Amino acid sequence: GNSVTQMEGPVTLSEEAFLTINCTYTATGYPSLFWYVQYPGEGLQLLLKATKADDKGSNKGFEATYRKETTSFHLEKGSVQVSDSAVYFCALTSYTGTASKLTFGTGTRLQVTL
Amino acid sequence: NAGVTQTPKFRVLKTGQSMTLLCAQDMNHEYMYWYRQDPGMGLRLIHYSVGEGTTAKGEVPDGYNVSRLKKQNFLLGLESAAPSQTSVYFCASRPTGGNQPQHFGDGTRLSIL
Repeated sequence: GNSVTQMEGPVTLSEEAFLTINCTYTATGYPSLFWYVQYPGEGLQLLLKATKADDKGSNKGFEATYRKETTSFHLEKGSVQVSDSAVYFCALTSYTGTASKLTFGTGTRLQVTL
Repeated sequence: NAGVTQTPKFRVLKTGQSMTLLCAQDMNHEYMYWYRQDPGMGLRLIHYSVGEGTTAKGEVPDGYNVSRLKKQNFLLGLESAAPSQTSVYFCASRPTGGNQPQHFGDGTRLSIL
């Protein structure tokens, strides 16, 4: 079946540091890939997405490239801010007859300090 | 825009009690989903619905029932709560179209004693 593997957290960085959160996946067919972010006490919000190989999703300074050859979708940001502290989830869609479903990784907690 | 609204936000139950969690969306979305979030396990799909009057099982449906009598509402029921159902529950909705993202509510934190 489909699965998503994320790097273990928590990840602690100083403000303005470079961020990479690794995500690899196993899936049949051609899934779409997503990064969601969860701020404390809130639900998940879509951060970015990519729908086919070599697509790059980007939003709020975050980027991720859909790499089919390495089955990866790593999240990067050049300079993190304290306000980026949150839990980040990598996810992929799978289609089963009548509906698409999201398969999530376990989440990576990011803590950014001054 | 309210988006996806979940009620209640917090609840404590005793083992064996029943309750219903309500999810309401005002975006006219066809698809709705219920997930549970547990530490170290990400989000797992409980049940979902592809339209009014339809429901289907997800990854972890046991112990839960759902109903979608109106397009905008998706109810999750626990008939006899168990401590293993202590979790944070999230509802999500999305429009039709294969790559449309899901929109999430803020969650319901449920504790079963």
